[in-house]
Amino acid sequence: DTAVSQTPKYLVTQMGNDKSIKCEQNLGHDTMYWYKQDSKKFLKIMFSYNNKELIINETVPNRFSPKSPDKAHLNLHINSLELGDSAVYFCASSQDATGELFFGEGSRLTVL
Amino acid sequence: AQSVTQPDIHITVSEGASLELRCNYSYGATPYLFWYVQSPGQGLQLLLKYFSGDTLVQGIKGFEAEFKRSQSSFNLRKPSVHWSDAAEYFCAVGTGNKLVFGAGTILRVKS
Repeated sequence: DTAVSQTPKYLVTQMGNDKSIKCEQNLGHDTMYWYKQDSKKFLKIMFSYNNKELIINETVPNRFSPKSPDKAHLNLHINSLELGDSAVYFCASSQDATGELFFGEGSRLTVL
Repeated sequence: AQSVTQPDIHITVSEGASLELRCNYSYGATPYLFWYVQSPGQGLQLLLKYFSGDTLVQGIKGFEAEFKRSQSSFNLRKPSVHWSDAAEYFCAVGTGNKLVFGAGTILRVKS
């Protein structure tokens, strides 16, 4: 049973399109995250939700809209995709504020 | 500003040799410190963490790390590397729900 699962694993799309990535965790954690890993492997937080409430929003363009229908799910919708959005997007969860994160396997987005 | 520096982009060690991966951080207070490992095509997995107390912490897979406040460092060590340790290693610092990651060090193991 995968603890944090993301779909799709790979996504190739054209500039200007809209796409979504879904994330689910079965660990019973209250907090979920989206991280972006760029081509140089820098991993940077984008958003964090605690029990469906947005608690971290790191100067991410408003083309990116996270949605948390319940505390086990955190989806990421991206409008008007740009070349610079190409990256690996990781979903993660944590039980508390100690920073111990459980990561999904990542979703590789390629914008052509 | 908070930052994490991993000075070595790549490190190659022979199987059975010892390993040390360096991590330096800049943070306003005493942060929580972490090492994560990422195998190809996988998500990150926590190796070990330091919150407080004993500055030498043990992790999974035989790894350990030492927190040195005076040097703002949290170096990762392993006495004898196995081929399966080949992966990318990330140091991270933070408090609360926000972690700042270093750029990673790719470990190659030669037989």
